[in-house]
Amino acid sequence: AQTVTQSQPEMSVQEAETVTLSCTYDTSENNYYLFWYKQPPSRQMILVIRQEAYKQQNATENRFSVNFQKAAKSFSLKISDSQLGDTAMYFCAFMKPNDYKLSFGAGTTVTVRA
Amino acid sequence: DSGVTQTPKHLITATGQRVTLRCSPRSGDLSVYWYQQSLDQGLQFLIHYYNGEERAKGNILERFSAQQFPDLHSELNLSSLELGDSALYFCASSQTSGGHHTGELFFGEGSRLTVL
Repeated sequence: AQTVTQSQPEMSVQEAETVTLSCTYDTSENNYYLFWYKQPPSRQMILVIRQEAYKQQNATENRFSVNFQKAAKSFSLKISDSQLGDTAMYFCAFMKPNDYKLSFGAGTTVTVRA
Repeated sequence: DSGVTQTPKHLITATGQRVTLRCSPRSGDLSVYWYQQSLDQGLQFLIHYYNGEERAKGNILERFSAQQFPDLHSELNLSSLELGDSALYFCASSQTSGGHHTGELFFGEGSRLTVL
């Protein structure tokens, strides 16, 4: 079974600053997907960014980018120019191809201060 | 709006009762997944249906069952409810065309179940 570890329960960042969330995972697979999902107070799970393990280039979506280190099994999320609307819980998740089950980390609560 | 619709949004019931949660996937999505989010267990995969057939089971209790109907909507049935079943239940759907999966799941807003 895959395990996903998010070691930071809470993070706080000033508006317009940058925050980095860490995630590590354990797998013996060579190919897989990694995700960051955002869960705002409205509680809906929203996909932030997605990375395929066979792609070495780090994924980027506007102010969100990842640092994918396959050998270290690390997948951190950087939020640049933080906005108040970024306040949410962020979950790192792992999926094997053809498995379709997401394994989630425990989540990191991010609070953006005005 | 993800396009995935879940009803009801909130549900309060008593121990020993039975409830049904409903999910309508995004138009065209053949796969439906159910996840449970609780304070002590976090987000856990329950079950996956593809085009009406069960494809995978996770940590789903025997008291729980699900099905996917010909119109692709799905229902999660929870019976003999216990206090510990109180949680947020998410449905998600995905685009699976010709067997190809992008890995992206689209989540509904969840059904908040409170068992008293």
